[in-house]
Amino acid sequence: EVHLVESGGGLVQPGGSLRLSCAASGFNFRVFSMNWIRQAPGKGLQWVSYMTSDERTIYYADSVKGRFTISRDNDRYTLYLQMNSLRTEDSAVYYCARGNDGYFDWWGQGTLVTVSS
Amino acid sequence: EIVLTQSPVTLSLSPGERAILSCRASQSVGSSLAWYQQKFGQAPRLLIYGASKRATGIPARFSGSGSGTDFTLTISTLEPEDFAVYYCQQRGTWPPFTFGPGTKINVK
Repeated sequence: EVHLVESGGGLVQPGGSLRLSCAASGFNFRVFSMNWIRQAPGKGLQWVSYMTSDERTIYYADSVKGRFTISRDNDRYTLYLQMNSLRTEDSAVYYCARGNDGYFDWWGQGTLVTVSS
Repeated sequence: EIVLTQSPVTLSLSPGERAILSCRASQSVGSSLAWYQQKFGQAPRLLIYGASKRATGIPARFSGSGSGTDFTLTISTLEPEDFAVYYCQQRGTWPPFTFGPGTKINVK
């Protein structure tokens, strides 16, 4: 069965950095695109970033462009999100999700990021 | 960016009743629309993709329809586990992928 397990969330001050990880298992990670999607407390879903299986194509939401960096290690079956210059509005549960033809067919349980002084 | 709106915001129904949820796109997305279910404290789960195709393991009481700008998710007979928030998502024009604000089905 597909499993996605996020880690790396926590409390960070505005302007700080965090690196999220998503460990994948149960499927061939090397052939799927992957995404990060976030959800602020009590709010809806916001797509954050996308990376193809071969790492050649990357997209970001405008709100994080220039501050967040998506990457992956296909040997370790792991997806990453480096988050710099964090703002209070970046506080959210961050989910990694497997991409399948533009839809998100498997999701991790999420990791909470809180940006606060 | 394609904006998705969902109605109603909240739906109050009883188990056994039919639920009809609406999603409208600011411009045509063809049939490139999905529906997700999110229960409290859980990650979203893909229900419907391609406007009308059920994802793996999704019960037949869930059905999707529509194309262009207007879409519907129907739950034919609500089970107790169906009370949750439902989101639509488009991949017709991306990036960005966008989600609707959600419809919450609660117990009447």
